[in-house]
Amino acid sequence: KAGVTQTPRYLIKTRGQQVTLSCSPISGHRSVSWYQQTPGQGLQFLFEYFSETQRNKGNFPGRFSGRQFSNSRSEMNVSTLELGDSALYLCASSNSDTSGRTESFFGPGTRLTVL
Amino acid sequence: AQSVSQHNHHVILSEAASLELGCNYSYGGTVNLFWYVQYPGQHLQLLLKYFSGDPLVKGIKGFEAEFIKSKFSFNLRKPSVQWSDTAEYFCAVNALRGSQGNLIFGKGTKLSVKP
Repeated sequence: KAGVTQTPRYLIKTRGQQVTLSCSPISGHRSVSWYQQTPGQGLQFLFEYFSETQRNKGNFPGRFSGRQFSNSRSEMNVSTLELGDSALYLCASSNSDTSGRTESFFGPGTRLTVL
Repeated sequence: AQSVSQHNHHVILSEAASLELGCNYSYGGTVNLFWYVQYPGQHLQLLLKYFSGDPLVKGIKGFEAEFIKSKFSFNLRKPSVQWSDTAEYFCAVNALRGSQGNLIFGKGTKLSVKP
């Protein structure tokens, strides 16, 4: 099976712009989660989508949003970029089942630099 | 709120030394527990996981971890490290109630192994 893919791998934007990141989960996985990784804050959960619905949300401002399509691919959008949004954005897909045994598989990430 | 603590920010060992990385979490309910590893320039990979049953779990590359429920701990161990184990290690918790796919990560421990 192909792993989790994320595009683009690198992005450079300026303050005030917006950005859209894309994630394709492992085939058959219906849950996609997004995380922000920074040296100072570590890995922080942004949100999770399952069957096109946001199931969980972390503690990030409304500038961060996402969506999931019927083929489970997901996008996240950050509007009005700030310098502090510079980070590695990771996508994870999981084979969430009814037993609760959820194992997440991570993509390579998108490195966003805000100038 | 749930949280995960990793006791060591940076650990430096010589090859063949034994490794133990501490991880404690704060959540009173049932949890899934994970250790992920991030090798330089690579994406997060799952080392091992605990869902239920035997509290001593074995993962890839000779790593193991022990879940001690009374101590809310899930420490990672390896009897003899190799230079190739140089990486950053993350402990993560997934609470089973209403947050499947939502991993709470520790800040990570950088392991440097001297040849």
